[in-house]
Amino acid sequence: EDQVTQSPEALRLQEGESSSLNCSYTVSGLRGLFWYRQDPGKGPEFLFTLYSAGEEKEKERLKATLTKKESFLHITAPKPEDSATYLCAVGDSWGKLQFGAGTQVVVTP
Amino acid sequence: ETGVTQTPRHLVMGMTNKKSLKCEQHLGHNAMYWYKQSAKKPLELMFVYNFKEQTENNSVPSRFSPECPNSSHLFLHLHTLQPEDSALYLCASSQDRLDNAGELFFGEGSRLTVL
Repeated sequence: EDQVTQSPEALRLQEGESSSLNCSYTVSGLRGLFWYRQDPGKGPEFLFTLYSAGEEKEKERLKATLTKKESFLHITAPKPEDSATYLCAVGDSWGKLQFGAGTQVVVTP
Repeated sequence: ETGVTQTPRHLVMGMTNKKSLKCEQHLGHNAMYWYKQSAKKPLELMFVYNFKEQTENNSVPSRFSPECPNSSHLFLHLHTLQPEDSALYLCASSQDRLDNAGELFFGEGSRLTVL
């Protein structure tokens, strides 16, 4: 059974203090690893897709990386507007998508 | 109109009420989904429709009844709910069910409270 574990559950950062979120997974036939951002009271917003180990994707202050067992979402010099819950999900060869519980990030000025 | 639109945004209902959640997507996608989101828990997939046909029902109780009249519209009919059904219900769409199944476009959700 596919499993996705995100850590930490919550992260409090000072503005400009870089950090990383972790998403570890077990899946039968990785079809893709997906990162989403969710603001309070809103639906998740798609950020990145990673397909194979060693792949990296960047968007503004966010950089996602992938290994065979985990993915990291690096937040470089975060700003208060980066505060959100970040979700990762893995897709398997059957088309199933399993989400993690998310990491809530708060960036204070 | 853009993206995925859900109505109502908030709904309070008693256990004997019947209500419906509506979802509309303007992206030309072929697959639509209902997810349940409870606090501190991963998103739970409820139903999947691909080209208007239901392809998945993840052991959802019959008090939740989906309907997909066309590729752009999705409904979730609610009847005789329990307080533990209180949650955020999210509708999503994707280009298709398999190749782009992880790149979902979500609506803003319907916050349901069952008294």
